Amino acid sequence: QVQLQESGPGLVKPSETLALTCAVSGYSITYDYNWGWIRQPPGKGLEGIGTIHHSGNTYYNRSLSSRVSISLDTSKNQFSLKLNSVTAADTAVYYCARLDRYWGSPDFWGQGILVTVSS
Amino acid sequence: EIVLTQSPGTLSLSPGEGATLSCKASQTISSRFLAWYQKKPGQAPRLLIYGASNRATGIPDRFSGSVSGTNFSLTISRLEPEDFAVYYCQYYDSSTTFAFGPGTEVEI
Repeated sequence: QVQLQESGPGLVKPSETLALTCAVSGYSITYDYNWGWIRQPPGKGLEGIGTIHHSGNTYYNRSLSSRVSISLDTSKNQFSLKLNSVTAADTAVYYCARLDRYWGSPDFWGQGILVTVSS
Repeated sequence: EIVLTQSPGTLSLSPGEGATLSCKASQTISSRFLAWYQKKPGQAPRLLIYGASNRATGIPDRFSGSVSGTNFSLTISRLEPEDFAVYYCQYYDSSTTFAFGPGTEVEI
């Protein structure tokens, strides 16, 4: 069974970089799947942030593309999110997920981690 | 970039009633990449339907998805108490769009 677990600081200061890691167990991230990040600000809907393929190819949501990067660490079977120049609007629960290689839909999700941007 | 809109914003129903939720894409999309999720507070989204009409593993058959042109629907045939939640449609094609609709809340 695929399991994903987000980790990282729960509090980030404005203008700094938000950095999260998603540890994957039960499945190798080197297989032919996409791995992604999604977030949900308090009281708002879900937003796709971006994805990374096992080959290293990335896709970023246009509204965040100038501030975001996603990378793989195959030695640790994990992938990471970095979002720079954060503001209070980046406060959200951040989820990592595996995206089905044919259907494209996120099928396995982490439990989510709340990141608050505040001084 | 494709934009998904959902209607209605809120559905007020009683257990045992049926519900139909709509999701419309701003342009023609492949139904292969359209999915539906159920979201409850404090929980990760739960995949219900993938490829517009395929039920995910373990999803009861009271949930069904369909498509007509750029209009996608999620139908819940008889609402159970645990079905009251927010539902999102979602689209990802790996090259142009990774988006969710704004959601429909199904409330008691």
